[in-house]
Amino acid sequence: DAGVIQSPRHEVTEMGQEVTLRCKPISGHNSLFWYRQTMMRGLELLIYFNNNVPIDDSGMPEDRFSAKMPNASFSTLKIQPSEPRDSAVYFCASSFRTGTSGANVLTFGAGSRLTVL
Amino acid sequence: AQSVTQLDSHVSVSEGTPVLLRCNYSSSYSPSLFWYVQHPNKGLQLLLKYTSAATLVKGINGFEAEFKKSETSFHLTKPSAHMSDAAEYFCVVSDPGTGGFKTIFGAGTRLFVKA
Repeated sequence: DAGVIQSPRHEVTEMGQEVTLRCKPISGHNSLFWYRQTMMRGLELLIYFNNNVPIDDSGMPEDRFSAKMPNASFSTLKIQPSEPRDSAVYFCASSFRTGTSGANVLTFGAGSRLTVL
Repeated sequence: AQSVTQLDSHVSVSEGTPVLLRCNYSSSYSPSLFWYVQHPNKGLQLLLKYTSAATLVKGINGFEAEFKKSETSFHLTKPSAHMSDAAEYFCVVSDPGTGGFKTIFGAGTRLFVKA
């Protein structure tokens, strides 16, 4: 398996523009997570899905952020409109969970580095 | 609520000397605990995990961690540091209240290894 694939790896955009980050989880994994990493706030969980359904989006910072998972092999994180404070590295991770027991081992993608000017 | 505290933001060791990265957790339940490593400009990789089996957990690259419930600690150790160990290390707790889905990261400890 190629692992969790994120695109783009780097994005530079201007304030006010729409940004879409994409993620392809590992085949067979049924849970998907979006994280944001900044120097000031570290790694923050934004939202996670289980079986394509959003379970907890309490970490999404504002209504400008939205995430979708239309099928088991694809998810997007959209920021509209973007602002300079959204500059960060955004990570997607996936895992396979059966029930609620056992460890939730995450496999991370390489990240998408977003710079909003 | 679950949380983890990494006690050192930076640790510097010489190559060949032991490594100790400290982590304390807070959990109302029996937690699942992890250590992840992030090399510069890379994603995060699982080093090891604890899930209420053996309290001493062995991971990749010679790292291990010991779960101590009485001290609410899960410190990461390695007997002899290598230059390639230079990276950022994250202690992580999985929130059982969410079925283990919600995974909370510590602030990270950056490990420097001197030649």
